[in-house]
Amino acid sequence: DTGVSQDPRHKITKRGQNVTFRCDPISEHNRLYWYRQTLGQGPEFLTYFQNEAQLEKSRLLSDRFSAERPKGSFSTLEIQRTEQGDSAMYLCASRPLDGWGTDTQYFGPGTRLTVL
Amino acid sequence: AQTVTQSQPEMSVQEAETVTLSCTYDTSESDYYLFWYKQPPSRQMILVIRQEAYKQQNATENRFSVNFQKAAKSFSLKISDSQLGDAAMYFCALALLGGFKTIFGAGTRLFVKA
Repeated sequence: DTGVSQDPRHKITKRGQNVTFRCDPISEHNRLYWYRQTLGQGPEFLTYFQNEAQLEKSRLLSDRFSAERPKGSFSTLEIQRTEQGDSAMYLCASRPLDGWGTDTQYFGPGTRLTVL
Repeated sequence: AQTVTQSQPEMSVQEAETVTLSCTYDTSESDYYLFWYKQPPSRQMILVIRQEAYKQQNATENRFSVNFQKAAKSFSLKISDSQLGDAAMYFCALALLGGFKTIFGAGTRLFVKA
């Protein structure tokens, strides 16, 4: 069990640039979540995938944000025309499909984005 | 809408002593899960303990236990015999049964003094 991995761990970009983050969930987990965490706050839900289907999106996910999970395995989160307010830690989490399960999510280490 | 409130931004405990972190939540649903997650400095978030709302018995995991008061919508975490490795941010979280997202509180930073 290699856990959830995220790449890159840190990203510094200039305002207006596009960035893309990758998340590799635990291999048998078909549910995948993206969260955004700003300093001193808890994670805020952004979007959820079950296999390759994006089933829910937060209104926090503006039209500059897009997420994909093309083959139901890894996922990417892209931010276009970055703004300074996008600076945050972006967390990915996964969990298995287990019926009336425990809803326990396994988190990756996060990608810290700094927009200059 | 669901909300989770952690009213203690910071807490401090002496090593080997007991500390209780508070959490209140709000939901109109009757079936849900509650969680405490731990986020050590510069490390990833891990689950500490989980409580199903339909269970009256409070969950326990080794030194960690909860006091779940459903009517009061309160879910506190007790850490017994505190260790230096317990120092971290602790997040209380709520997930609806069959729902897609988890709602997190703002967190409580726990300091453990040697």
